[in-house]
Amino acid sequence: DGGITQSPKYLFRKEGQNVTLSCEQNLNHDAMYWYRQDPGQGLRLIYYSQIVNDFQKGDIAEGYSVSREKKESFPLTVTSAQKNPTAFYLCASTFPGADLNTEAFFGQGTRLTVV
Amino acid sequence: QQQVKQSPQSLIVQKGGISIINCAYENTAFDYFPWYQQFPGKGPALLIAIRPDVSEKKEGRFTISFNKSAKQFSLHIMDSQPGDSATYFCAASVTSGTYKYIFGTGTRLKVLA
Repeated sequence: DGGITQSPKYLFRKEGQNVTLSCEQNLNHDAMYWYRQDPGQGLRLIYYSQIVNDFQKGDIAEGYSVSREKKESFPLTVTSAQKNPTAFYLCASTFPGADLNTEAFFGQGTRLTVV
Repeated sequence: QQQVKQSPQSLIVQKGGISIINCAYENTAFDYFPWYQQFPGKGPALLIAIRPDVSEKKEGRFTISFNKSAKQFSLHIMDSQPGDSATYFCAASVTSGTYKYIFGTGTRLKVLA
């Protein structure tokens, strides 16, 4: 079955530690996105990538980094520079194009907690 | 110009009632307006979407109304059920060129049994 897989589902980070969240898709989508969701809040864009080896900062990129070495994979690293990383992180992908299905498919999320 | 403003933040409706959630946008380049439904601890999933060449789209109990001149669109849930209790996000997108999804802040809907 096609879809987006995020791992792990739960992640605990110590102060000053970098952690990497995994996002893999087998939908053959070109564009991938990372969003952050805080309790009772909307979705805030961290980074997005429209093609391999290219990515753009979103609205809240500070303290995060990404890579896009393969079409299927878009990992997110939460660095120690991110002062308040506890949140629910969502990865999404789309197949851009005015004549194509532009639905955004989401993974099931990773809940990151700083301990 | 890139914002999508969503209201209300939360909504409580009796079973069988109509739930209405509104969104407004500024960027006239947006050409795709989806609504997503999210249950706790899960990722959002597409519920229904509309393009600006139509004023209304209906799928079952869910209807999108679109007002291009006012730059507003809304989700109507008819005969609301407790199983509809979730967070709803509107979004807007430009489907060519610089491609990015802009989401509203979400509406937490609770349908009372």
